[in-house]
Amino acid sequence: SQQGEEDPQALSIQEGENATMNCSYKTSINNLQWYRQNSGRGLVHLILIRSNEREKHSGRLRVTLDTSKKSSSLLITASRAADTASYFCATDAPQGAQKLVFGQGTRLTINP
Amino acid sequence: DAGITQSPRHKVTETGTPVTLRCHQTENHRYMYWYRQDPGHGLRLIHYSYGVKDTDKGEVSDGYSVSRSKTEDFLLTLESATSSQTSVYFCAISTSGFEQFFGPGTRLTVL
Repeated sequence: SQQGEEDPQALSIQEGENATMNCSYKTSINNLQWYRQNSGRGLVHLILIRSNEREKHSGRLRVTLDTSKKSSSLLITASRAADTASYFCATDAPQGAQKLVFGQGTRLTINP
Repeated sequence: DAGITQSPRHKVTETGTPVTLRCHQTENHRYMYWYRQDPGHGLRLIHYSYGVKDTDKGEVSDGYSVSRSKTEDFLLTLESATSSQTSVYFCAISTSGFEQFFGPGTRLTVL
């Protein structure tokens, strides 16, 4: 099945630094989303980027999408301890049904 | 949490017993989903619903059944629980089918 693959699997940085996570997928998509999951909690939607968009911003988040390379990146600027979480990309399923396929996530740790 | 509740939040059961997990929403969203989350596998879709009594299988549906008799409730049933179904189960809802809102999860342990 189509699946996003995040890279790296784990990332540890100092507070105030920028964090970049990448997602690659296999087949064409209509949109790609990023979600955050704090330990022991459900996922929280962060941002959606459509296939005809190349870049999108939301606060300290910047998402890029390169459909020719089938990849996306999530940049978190000026990281904070509260950004410590797992981050997942999700792509719409190829069959056109309203389903998402999630990657395995990047575990981000922000050190104070 | 976008008006989603899951019950129970924790459950320990024995192999071979039936288990039903409930997802309840208060916002009249059309789409509802059941996922399981396991280390090394991320989130995998079990079943989803696109309306009352309209359901379809996801990636890992074997051993699971669902029912949706009311817009607000989506039930996931393990007919005969196995140890491989030990997992954290998340319900999600969506109006568009794109952006999804997740419940707090149910941690199920099958002994």
